[in-house]
Order: sequence, then structure tokens, then C-alpha cells
Amino acid sequence: GAVVSQHPSRVICKSGTSVKIECRSLDFQATTMFWYRQFPKQSLMLMATSNEGSKATYEQGVEKDKFLINHASLTLSTLTVTSAHPEDSSFYICSGLTRGWSEQFFGPGTRLTVL
Amino acid sequence: SQKIEQNSEALNIQEGKTATLTCNYTNYSPAYLQWYRQDPGRGPVFLLLIRENEKEKRKERLKVTFDTTLKQSLFHITASQPADSATYLCALLIYNQGGKLIFGQGTELSVKP
Repeated sequence: GAVVSQHPSRVICKSGTSVKIECRSLDFQATTMFWYRQFPKQSLMLMATSNEGSKATYEQGVEKDKFLINHASLTLSTLTVTSAHPEDSSFYICSGLTRGWSEQFFGPGTRLTVL
Repeated sequence: SQKIEQNSEALNIQEGKTATLTCNYTNYSPAYLQWYRQDPGRGPVFLLLIRENEKEKRKERLKVTFDTTLKQSLFHITASQPADSATYLCALLIYNQGGKLIFGQGTELSVKP
């Protein structure tokens, strides 16, 4: 299957700082990338959908000014958590999809801890 | 309201037995239903996809059924092994939503030797 990487895999930051997470599709061109958040023992909750070169579409209840998404190329999307707070601590997972596919390929996730 | 529910939070079975996991949904019209495996601290890994016009799909020890009348999918792992222990997620891909997936809460499977 296709490979998606995320960096960093784990990050600890202080409250009020911003954190950037990168998501890369290594062997395919991801026309669409998705960002999910997963709290312990819960399912993946879709945060936003981004198409290359377009603004991201955010799910209801997700603040677009807090979670900045950039999908500048077909192989890279970034999620920036601005002014992070402890309640933003979670497991953030991205996935990639290319035109004509019906399955998404997921990255390994990034564990964010905000102190 | 729209819901996806998986049968239980945890399922414990003996090695060699068949594990059966359930996924029920309401008020969705999915194009596809997909099953993923997720290990702790990792992203989901795609296992199987079944289309709305398919009744059953198999892959090695895995079998998925899809009943759009009952709005239910069953996921079977035959001859289960301790290595099959993980959380299994079902996900619906909805028509005209740009590939967006809606996930169930997952079922944690534990296979004891």
C-alpha cells in the first residue's frame, strides 16, 4: 500500500506556543489530505479536509484560526496548532487520498502533549 | 441523527476461534464500508473495503459482510491469533463527500493463547 509519514511522531510544548505537524505522502500524489484527532479510547474525529492548492474545509466545531492547514503540494500538508492549550493534547493523524481511489492511507500519528 | 456504532468496546476470545465484530449505522447512505486495524499509538491500517452492491468480501482469514437493508456490516477473523489483537474500526465513505470517512468508535479485540 501507499505510505504516509508524519513528523514529528511526538511533541511536548508549553501552553501558548504553536506546533507544526507535517504529513507527507511518500510514494503517491495526495490530491486530498485529511486531518483527524483521536482522544484516548475514542475514535478518529475528522477535523478538516484539504485539497491541494485550495483552502481547507473544516468540520463543525473545529476552529480554523486555531488549526491552520496548508496543503501546498501534492505530497505535503501541514497542520499548525496555534496557541496550544492542554485541552489540545491529543493524537493527530493525517491521511492521503488520490483521485480515483476509495481507500485512504494513514500516517503513523503525532502525539501532542501541551503542558 | 446519524450514528455509527460498533458492537462493544472490547471482545476477548481464545486463539483459534472466530472473532466477529459488528458495525451498525443509521441515517447514512454509504457508498462503501471499510474496516481498519489500529494498534496502540499508531495510525489505522486499511484491511478491507466492501461496496454497497456487494454482500461479502474475503481476504485470507478476513471476511466482511454488508447488509444495506439492516444497515449492518459484520467483520470476521477466522482462526484468530494473538497477533490479531488490536482495535478494529469500521468507517463509512459517503457519496459526494469528497472521500470523507466517518468512523465508528472501534472494538478492541484481545486474542488469548
